[in-house]
Amino acid sequence: SAVISQKPSRDICQRGTSLTIQCQVDSQVTMMFWYRQQPGQSLTLIATANQGSEATYESGFVIDKFPISRPNLTFSTLTVSNMSPEDSSIYLCSTRAGAETQYFGPGTRLLVL
Amino acid sequence: GENVEQHPSTLSVQEGDSAVIKCTYSDSASNYFPWYKQELGKRPQLIIDIRSNVGEKKDQRIAVTLNKTAKHFSLHITETQPEDSAVYFCAALKAAGNKLTFGGGTRVLVKP
Repeated sequence: SAVISQKPSRDICQRGTSLTIQCQVDSQVTMMFWYRQQPGQSLTLIATANQGSEATYESGFVIDKFPISRPNLTFSTLTVSNMSPEDSSIYLCSTRAGAETQYFGPGTRLLVL
Repeated sequence: GENVEQHPSTLSVQEGDSAVIKCTYSDSASNYFPWYKQELGKRPQLIIDIRSNVGEKKDQRIAVTLNKTAKHFSLHITETQPEDSAVYFCAALKAAGNKLTFGGGTRVLVKP
């Protein structure tokens, strides 16, 4: 299985600012995903990060709020822009090994004041 | 799109007893069903999965069953231990699609 790391592991931010979360995988992967997990809730897919093209966003998530980069097959970033307290959540990077099996990074715990 | 419902939302069992979590899915094209365990403050960890050409799969104390006709699948944990306490998520993946759809999660508490 792929080893996935994320930076930062946690952060406390002021409203109106932006935070960029980095995801690094130890092997080349075709598919990378970004999820949000609000306290006590399930995992919600924000977008699929596509290498060499724009990310594919799920309903309710827009590029202006959550810009994503995927410069190569081992790295992606998610930016949470113009943050508000409602953005306080855990953000998880995920990759798929082969066609199906999906693994998750350790997550980034974000608190917006 | 696919919709996955998971029950119960919380489950409390005595150590040594069995725990069963059930999920239903809506899209008959889904053919891969993983289960994740998430301990407090940790990432979701894949614990077992099943594909639609198999009816049951077992790995030590955990097993998963799949009923394609009824579109439901279940996780069974036998001889529960305190370390089984966690939130469990079921999920479904469509054959030709890319999106893994998650259930709402079940918080399992194993009482010693």
